[in-house]
Amino acid sequence: AQRVTQPEKLLSVFKGAPVELKCNYSYSGSPELFWYVQYSRQRLQLLLRHISRESIKGFTADLNKGETSFHLKKPFAQEEDSAMYYCALWNSGGSNYKLTFGKGTLLTVNP
Amino acid sequence: GAVVSQHPSWVICKSGTSVKIECRSLDFQATTMFWYRQFPKQSLMLMATSNEGSKATYEQGVEKDKFLINHASLTLSTLTVTSAHPEDSSFYICSARQGAGELFFGEGSRLTVL
Repeated sequence: AQRVTQPEKLLSVFKGAPVELKCNYSYSGSPELFWYVQYSRQRLQLLLRHISRESIKGFTADLNKGETSFHLKKPFAQEEDSAMYYCALWNSGGSNYKLTFGKGTLLTVNP
Repeated sequence: GAVVSQHPSWVICKSGTSVKIECRSLDFQATTMFWYRQFPKQSLMLMATSNEGSKATYEQGVEKDKFLINHASLTLSTLTVTSAHPEDSSFYICSARQGAGELFFGEGSRLTVL
């Protein structure tokens, strides 16, 4: 069965510091991975997906199949980056299409 | 992006009553909708997947007679919590997608059962 692991519940950095939110996955097929972000009192929204290989709000994430990881990185954190971040894996095997979430990491960027 | 709206955003009910939560896709046709449950400071747990016009597929451990899901149209899915009890109190979130497109999330509905 697929699994998404975010080892850090909380992560606190200072403004301008680099930040890395870790995500590891377990999946038998070819993974399709996402990062979602939830700002305070707002709905969950897509931040980025690995297949598009884009940078959103300065964040990037590279899929490492050897290490089964999809860590989210930003070289210089900003206060407005403070939010809950969820790594998610899309299961498209057979007829069972669904998104499995990690437990989330609460990022706090201090001034 | 596309908009998914949930109603009500917060509902309080007495134990033993049934509560219906609606999820609407406002500007696209949602062929598939997903219902999640989120406990405080925890992740989203998928409850069920519903495709328009067919029965919902429930995740293991989710009681289908307890959580009735209907997806009668391409823009509306409903979750009915039957005979609600305090342990059903939670944040329920729906998401929707059109075909293989991006998944969009509703703002969530908080259920409090007294």
